Amino acid sequence: QVQLQESGPGLVKPSETLSLTCTVSGASVTSTSYYWGWIRQAPGKGLEWIVSIYYRGNTYYNPSLKNRVTIPVDASKNQFSLKLTSVTAADTAIYYCASPMGAITYWGQGKLVTVSS
Amino acid sequence: DIQMTQSPSTLSASVGDRVTITCRASQDISDWLAWYQQKPGIAPKLLIYKSSRLESGVPSRFSGSGSGTEFTLTISGLQPDDFATYHCQHYSDYPWTFGQGTKVDIK
Repeated sequence: QVQLQESGPGLVKPSETLSLTCTVSGASVTSTSYYWGWIRQAPGKGLEWIVSIYYRGNTYYNPSLKNRVTIPVDASKNQFSLKLTSVTAADTAIYYCASPMGAITYWGQGKLVTVSS
Repeated sequence: DIQMTQSPSTLSASVGDRVTITCRASQDISDWLAWYQQKPGIAPKLLIYKSSRLESGVPSRFSGSGSGTEFTLTISGLQPDDFATYHCQHYSDYPWTFGQGTKVDIK
């Protein structure tokens, strides 16, 4: 059973970089059986897919965020991260790490990140 | 991007009711569609994938149908645990997009 857990600051200042980490258990981030990625949900809004990565292959980005997003993978810690630069209040959301194999079976519990000075 | 439109936005129903939620895609997505249930403060839970395939452990009162651009999620015999928000998602091509959600509340 794959389990995912987000961690990182819950408050980020405007124009700074949002950084979250997802720790994976029950699977290896280097596995060829899984994709890893991030999805977010602004307060009271719908879900928005951000990015997906296949460790030995491609990375896929939401075009609306592509210029601001990176998804580093740390195989030694079995973690992957989200870095979102130049944040504004519109980036305030619950951020979920997930294993997005098309339909998404595995989700983290979510991390609320508020962008405010 | 493919736009996903759910209807209705809110649905009031009673325990035992048959409930149907519709999701329309702005272009043909074949059967690359998933449905999720979400309760407040909890991550979404996968119910249906590939339009009609029931995820393991999901009660059989949930069913999905459709292909192309029109899809439905049906709950046959609404249970107290089913009052929640339901989301559709296409995964036919990147970027994946979700519907805006349908909240099922108690009549």
